[in-house]
Amino acid sequence: GAGVSQSPSNKVTEKGKDVELRCDPISGHTALYWYRQSLGQGLEFLIYFQGNSAPDKSGLPSDRFSAERTGGSVSTLTIQRTQQEDSAVYLCASSLGPGLAAYEQYFGPGTRLTVT
Amino acid sequence: AQTVTQSQPEMSVQEAETVTLSCTYDTSESDYYLFWYKQPPSRQMILVIRQEAYKQQNATENRFSVNFQKAAKSFSLKISDSQLGDAAMYFCAYRGYSGGGADGLTFGKGTHLIIQP
Repeated sequence: GAGVSQSPSNKVTEKGKDVELRCDPISGHTALYWYRQSLGQGLEFLIYFQGNSAPDKSGLPSDRFSAERTGGSVSTLTIQRTQQEDSAVYLCASSLGPGLAAYEQYFGPGTRLTVT
Repeated sequence: AQTVTQSQPEMSVQEAETVTLSCTYDTSESDYYLFWYKQPPSRQMILVIRQEAYKQQNATENRFSVNFQKAAKSFSLKISDSQLGDAAMYFCAYRGYSGGGADGLTFGKGTHLIIQP
C-alpha cells in the first residue's frame, strides 16, 4: 500500500513569507508525528496528533509554528514569517495508534525547506 | 529528559565485513523502546530494528543485530556481511513507554556509514 507522502518535496521561500507543509499519513494510521531535521540541531520531535487532537504543542520551536490535522488524516505544518533558521528538512511519520502500536513509526520522504 | 548519544560521526567498512555502530542513552524510565533507523540520501527514514527494554534477548533482523546492555544504557547495532546498499546515515532512537507515543522519538546525531567496495 501507499506510504506516508509529503508535499512539496522541496520549498524555497523568502524570509518573512509563510509556508505550508503537507503530510498524508498511511491510511488507517491514527497517530501522526512531525519532526525537524537540521544540521545544527539534528532530529527534533515537534508535535504529535492522535486523531485530530494534539495534546502537547510545547515541542513547536516558536509561536510562528502551528500544525493542524483534519478528518483524522492529512496534516499541515504552517510556518509564519519564516526565518533563515527555519531552513531544515521537515519529516512526517504515522503509526497505527498510541500505546504499544505507536512503536512503529513510518516516515515520509520529508520536505526540504530553504529560507533565503 | 532523555538523551541519545552516538559517538561515531562516521564509520567506514569494507564490503562483506562486519561493523558495529555505538549508541548510549540516558533515561530514568524502566520501560522504553529503542530503535535503529537508516536514512539513505533519499531522506526516507527506514526502521532497521527495534528492541523493547523489558526483553533481555537481543533483537535480530537478518544481517542486523543489536547488543542491548540495559544496565550500561548501551544499544549498539551490528551489521554483518556489509553490502553497498547499507551505506546511509544510521540513527539510534528512544521512545518512552509511559507517554503512549505522545512524546515522539528522541534521536541521536547519527553515524554516517560508508561501505568500501
